[in-house]
Amino acid sequence: GQQLNQSPQSMFIQEGEDVSMNCTSSSIFNTWLWYKQDPGEGPVLLIALYKAGELTSNGRLTAQFGITRKDSFLNISASIPSDVGIYFCAGLGNTGKLIFGQGTTLQVKP
Amino acid sequence: DAGVIQSPRHEVTEMGQEVTLRCKPISGHDYLFWYRQTMMRGLELLIYFNNNVPIDDSGMPEDRFSAKMPNASFSTLKIQPSEPRDSAVYFCASSYGRVWQETQYFGPGTRLLVL
Repeated sequence: GQQLNQSPQSMFIQEGEDVSMNCTSSSIFNTWLWYKQDPGEGPVLLIALYKAGELTSNGRLTAQFGITRKDSFLNISASIPSDVGIYFCAGLGNTGKLIFGQGTTLQVKP
Repeated sequence: DAGVIQSPRHEVTEMGQEVTLRCKPISGHDYLFWYRQTMMRGLELLIYFNNNVPIDDSGMPEDRFSAKMPNASFSTLKIQPSEPRDSAVYFCASSYGRVWQETQYFGPGTRLLVL
């Protein structure tokens, strides 16, 4: 079945640094979604991507839908302590089923 | 609006017992989703409803799991009988409009521990 490989698994960075994470798959996806989950809470949608090559920003966050439709990345610029959390990618393919990556745990040192 | 409401927030039960998780979606939302999150398997979509009708239940792990949505403001996820491997955080989410194009709002989750 379809699977997503999300990397890195975890990151520990200094406040102010930029962050990059990505998801790849051997399958084609029609929609890519990026979520953030704070401890003890449900995921919150950050960015949604619907077209290959699409580049979308939401404040300090930027995400791109890979041109091959098999990958997506999320960048966070000038990280701040409240960026701490787990970031998930999710892809929707031809099966109509939403598949989630394993998550990237981000820790930011003030 | 209070957001998506889930109950209970925590549930500890013994293997073999029936477990019922409840969800109240945001008023006016026409889609409702049930997810499960574990360390091993990550976040998985179990089932989703549109206008109270189940649309895709392919993520439901087995016959021990069942979900219902008797009206627009209430849904249940039932596990009978429960097993230790069902221990997880179960999230309910709701949205309005196009199913994957609109933001899903997640509830706080129910943390289930089956002993």
